[in-house]
Amino acid sequence: TQLLEQSPQFLSIQEGENLTVYCNSSSVFSSLQWYRQEPGEGPVLLVTVVTGGEVKKLKRLTFQFGDARKDSSLHITAAQPGDTGLYLCAGGTTSGTYKYIFGTGTRLKVLA
Amino acid sequence: EAQVTQNPRYLITVTGKKLTVTCSQNMNHEYMSWYRQDPGLGLRQIYYSMNVEVTDKGDVPEGYKVSRKEKRNFPLILESPSPNQTSLYFCASSSRANYGYTFGSGTRLTVV
Repeated sequence: TQLLEQSPQFLSIQEGENLTVYCNSSSVFSSLQWYRQEPGEGPVLLVTVVTGGEVKKLKRLTFQFGDARKDSSLHITAAQPGDTGLYLCAGGTTSGTYKYIFGTGTRLKVLA
Repeated sequence: EAQVTQNPRYLITVTGKKLTVTCSQNMNHEYMSWYRQDPGLGLRQIYYSMNVEVTDKGDVPEGYKVSRKEKRNFPLILESPSPNQTSLYFCASSSRANYGYTFGSGTRLTVV
C-alpha cells in the first residue's frame, strides 16, 4: 500500500517567518500534487510536479519533487496570515489502478 | 464557471434510511472520485470512476455504492447508513488521471 507521510503535522509560526513542509513515501509516484484546504471547504490544487528534481514557484511558495520521485517539499517564504490552512500532498498510485491518495496533512497557522 | 457541485451541503439522517449525495461537474472531465474526511484519518478515497460505466473501489468502499451513467454525474449512494458513516464527503473530478482534482464544496453528513 502506497502511503504519503507529511511532517510536521502542526505548525504555528509568526508572520514573516519561513517554513518547510515535507511529504515522504517509500514508493515512487508518477507525479505529486499539493493542495490547500480551508475549514469546511474542498481542497484547492496549488501545483503539480512531475519530473524528479523539478522545482516550481508560486509567488512565495516553492515546491520541489525529489530526484527519486518519492518525496516532495513545500517551502513558504515570509509567511502571512493568509497562508493559514491545511496543506496536503497527493498522488496517484502506480499499482495499475487509478487510486489517488492524500498525505496526512500539515495544519499551518500564521500569527499576525 | 468550471465547478463541481455537490448536494446537499448538510444532511442529518437516521440509521438505515437510504440516501443519495449528488455530484455534477461541468468540465467534461473523465475522472471522478468520492472521498470522506475524518479528523485524524485525513482524506480517504471511497470510489472512483475513469469514465461512463467504469468505476472501481478506493480504500474505504464498504457501505457505499456509486454509479456513472453520464459523464457529468457521479452520485454516492448509502443504502443503509450507519453512524460510522458520519463524515465530511467530497466529490472531485479531473481531466487526467493522477494529475490533480477539482473538488466540490463538501457534504457534511450526520447519521444518528
